[in-house]
Amino acid sequence: EAQVTQNPRYLITVTGKKLTVTCSQNMNHEYMSWYRQDPGLGLRQIYYSMNVEVTDKGDVPEGYKVSRKEKRNFPLILESPSPNQTSLYFCASKTGVREVWEQFFGPGTRLTVL
Amino acid sequence: GQNIDQPTEMTATEGAIVQINCTYQTSGFNGLFWYQQHAGEAPTFLSYNVLDGLEEKGRFSSFLSRSKGYSYLLLKELQMKDSASYLCAPRFSGGYNKLIFGAGTRLAVHP
Repeated sequence: EAQVTQNPRYLITVTGKKLTVTCSQNMNHEYMSWYRQDPGLGLRQIYYSMNVEVTDKGDVPEGYKVSRKEKRNFPLILESPSPNQTSLYFCASKTGVREVWEQFFGPGTRLTVL
Repeated sequence: GQNIDQPTEMTATEGAIVQINCTYQTSGFNGLFWYQQHAGEAPTFLSYNVLDGLEEKGRFSSFLSRSKGYSYLLLKELQMKDSASYLCAPRFSGGYNKLIFGAGTRLAVHP
């Protein structure tokens, strides 16, 4: 089944404790992206990657890191989480084929930073 | 930054028709997505409009007016399962697949 998976789905952690949220897709998509979703603000893009070893900042990159060493994986790293990073996080992927626009979203990771 | 406006909440009756509006700034505009998101779940793609006019896809249709910076999503023959948030997301130039999502419209369908 074609899908985007994220782990963990739920995480409660404390300020300053480094964490990684994994994202993997099995559709051989070139483009991957991370979003956070907060009430009243909509989805905001954190980082995106157009292909292996190519990443760029989105609208709210502060406090986050990403890497794209393999095409299928795009982990999100919080080196020193803070309470304002408590949010619902979505990973998404899309083919690099031009004029094919649909993004496929993972199930989400609900993160709480105490 | 871009300002995406859509109503926060709407209610409708099963079997009825509902129109969810979305306005955005036109500068750098390339196209507009609509996504559906059930509570606690991932957004799922509904439509993508590039040209002016109405595109119909089953019970859902999406309309775009590029010059007015306006789009709407039309849902016909509403069903209870249509209760969800509907996200308007214009795409702008200046970055690959640069989407700006609106905060979403939460639609409640009642019997």
